[in-house]
Amino acid sequence: GAGVSQSPSNKVTEKGKDVELRCDPISGHTALYWYRQRLGQGLEFLIYFQGNSAPDKSGLPSDRFSAERTGESVSTLTIQRTQQEDSAVYLCASSLDSRVVEQFFGPGTRLTVL
Amino acid sequence: AQSVTQLGSHVSVSEGALVLLRCNYSSSVPPYLFWYVQYPNQGLQLLLKYTTGATLVKGINGFEAEFKKSETSFHLTKPSAHMSDAAEYFCAVLGNAGGTSYGKLTFGQGTILTVHP
Repeated sequence: GAGVSQSPSNKVTEKGKDVELRCDPISGHTALYWYRQRLGQGLEFLIYFQGNSAPDKSGLPSDRFSAERTGESVSTLTIQRTQQEDSAVYLCASSLDSRVVEQFFGPGTRLTVL
Repeated sequence: AQSVTQLGSHVSVSEGALVLLRCNYSSSVPPYLFWYVQYPNQGLQLLLKYTTGATLVKGINGFEAEFKKSETSFHLTKPSAHMSDAAEYFCAVLGNAGGTSYGKLTFGQGTILTVHP
């Protein structure tokens, strides 16, 4: 596609439920990044993929968070047993590869945990 | 480790006035620096970037920024604000693991720019 797409655009869930957030990077981009933007705060790095491997998972806030990427394309961020503090906008970005500095961002998924 | 500080969470200017958004960084390696803009309900869009070379970089929509190593700053400016510039602006520095650039961006807290008629 023309840009990075994310789905759903909005997700409301109840505390304790699991959620899956999807990211479709720009075709041909091998590097993919997930960030979190909580209200009133800057973006926090969560995880980075180069191809299907994740060399840097240092930003995942707890073991309830996981991510995978298949076919050097789509990535899914999963949050298990959601908590209210997980409420945020989750942004995905991609770049041609990890040596290319410009990242292209998707519109984000707004997650609300009630 | 890198960090970014944006001075002023909110900046308000009149249309036609100078825009100045401040960004200071810390980095243990020569930094790559970025400004992104986020319009309501949209993703981040790259305004400009500094990697190497000329320290004054020009971006889209008439914005520019100057890398000042001695001041560890990368302030964003625009000579004349337009109503359409109202948005949130983020300064970011690129991580550099093991001497090989890779894309872990560290962002500042953001500055909301309001433009008054």
